[in-house]
Amino acid sequence: GAVVSQHPSRVICKSGTSVKIECRSLDFQATTMFWYRQFPKQSLMLMATSNEGSKATYEQGVEKDKFLINHASLTLSTLTVTSAHPEDSSFYICSARVGRGGDQYFGPGTRLTVT
Amino acid sequence: AQTVTQSQPEMSVQEAETVTLSCTYDTSESDYYLFWYKQPPSRQMILVIRQEAYKQQNATENRFSVNFQKAAKSFSLKISDSQLGDAAMYFCAYRSARETSGSRLTFGEGTQLTVNP
Repeated sequence: GAVVSQHPSRVICKSGTSVKIECRSLDFQATTMFWYRQFPKQSLMLMATSNEGSKATYEQGVEKDKFLINHASLTLSTLTVTSAHPEDSSFYICSARVGRGGDQYFGPGTRLTVT
Repeated sequence: AQTVTQSQPEMSVQEAETVTLSCTYDTSESDYYLFWYKQPPSRQMILVIRQEAYKQQNATENRFSVNFQKAAKSFSLKISDSQLGDAAMYFCAYRSARETSGSRLTFGEGTQLTVNP
């Protein structure tokens, strides 16, 4: 149980274009999902917390207009990187919370490369 | 704000031996959770073990056990009988038990564990 998927696993896009990453909870309903960014050999940095049916809460320093998060259902949250630039190249990981106050389970991550 | 510190960027261990990874944290709260996550080369984050702060007994999961010292704010991970598949980046993480925290995780910097055959 508690399986989280992400799609795509890796994506290459040209500078200036937008790319959407999906995060799904496969066998449970997740009222809250989290989006992280991870640079090579570094820790996970929380970007935003996504609550179903409401606006995401962004961490300080994260541009909400650049990283659009939508949590339209209890099993799906999406992260759209708008007008991507090479510095947005990174590994993006989502997680979903099991139940109220429950533990987070992580997706396999998406490697974004912006050329 | 809570902070988590892992002072060992890299560790190595011989296969079948035991290794201990260190983690310290800082918090003013009395009720919280602590975790160790493993991130192998696939980059998939895997929950290794969790500890509730109100429990005095140290958590164990097969070859993995923790030494939780609440007063010292220390939470080390011991891996016994190390296997090649244990090679990974290990992250220590903290989560407040307060509902208003939203289950946010605060991660340490990570320790890269190498297992030598």
